[in-house]
Amino acid sequence: DAMVIQNPRYQVTQFGKPVTLSCSQTLNHNVMYWYQQKSSQAPKLLFHYYDKDFNNEADTPDNFQSRRPNTSFCFLDIRSPGLGDAAMYLCATRPDSSGTQYFGPGTRLTVL
Amino acid sequence: GIQVEQSPPDLILQEGANSTLRCNFSDSVNNLQWFHQNPWGQLINLFYIPSGTKQNGRLSATTVATERYSLLYISSSQTTDSGVYFCAVFAYYKLSFGAGTTVTVRA
Repeated sequence: DAMVIQNPRYQVTQFGKPVTLSCSQTLNHNVMYWYQQKSSQAPKLLFHYYDKDFNNEADTPDNFQSRRPNTSFCFLDIRSPGLGDAAMYLCATRPDSSGTQYFGPGTRLTVL
Repeated sequence: GIQVEQSPPDLILQEGANSTLRCNFSDSVNNLQWFHQNPWGQLINLFYIPSGTKQNGRLSATTVATERYSLLYISSSQTTDSGVYFCAVFAYYKLSFGAGTTVTVRA
């Protein structure tokens, strides 16, 4: 019954080594989001897709990129991870501009 | 952007106690959600509640949209209720989160 799936659940990478996090959904929702959450903070929106339209938040670093090859999958690429990028990364989906937003279990990224 | 304030920031409860968490928001919103973040980091949907009152087991929520606040009630708290509770409002295409209320339920 998993609706929003994230892989891997834990990811360890080295400083500067590119890393890709993946998200898939079985809900057929149009909108997909990527959030970054650091310890003791609320989730922070990085970007979202409305169908194929990509929308970047103004303060999202260029180091973060995303791809959505089809409705079901969305990827977060971190081109050169720094120590400050260690965080929980959460994927979420929403059917359209209204309705309930559902989150995946998250990927916890460690940067060594 | 829209401001979301949650209170209290921290709450310590004895098992079996009742509690109320509050969420105030600064502007009209399309909808509001309450989430529970478990110790493993997953955000669990509790309520989608743009207005009115809903109940789910020991939890209930009320949103008064005209007065820009929402309340989450936890009754007969259990240790499994521990975690961070977030209120988030949807406006301008995205959810804006409050800072959360950290709830600790002691046996």
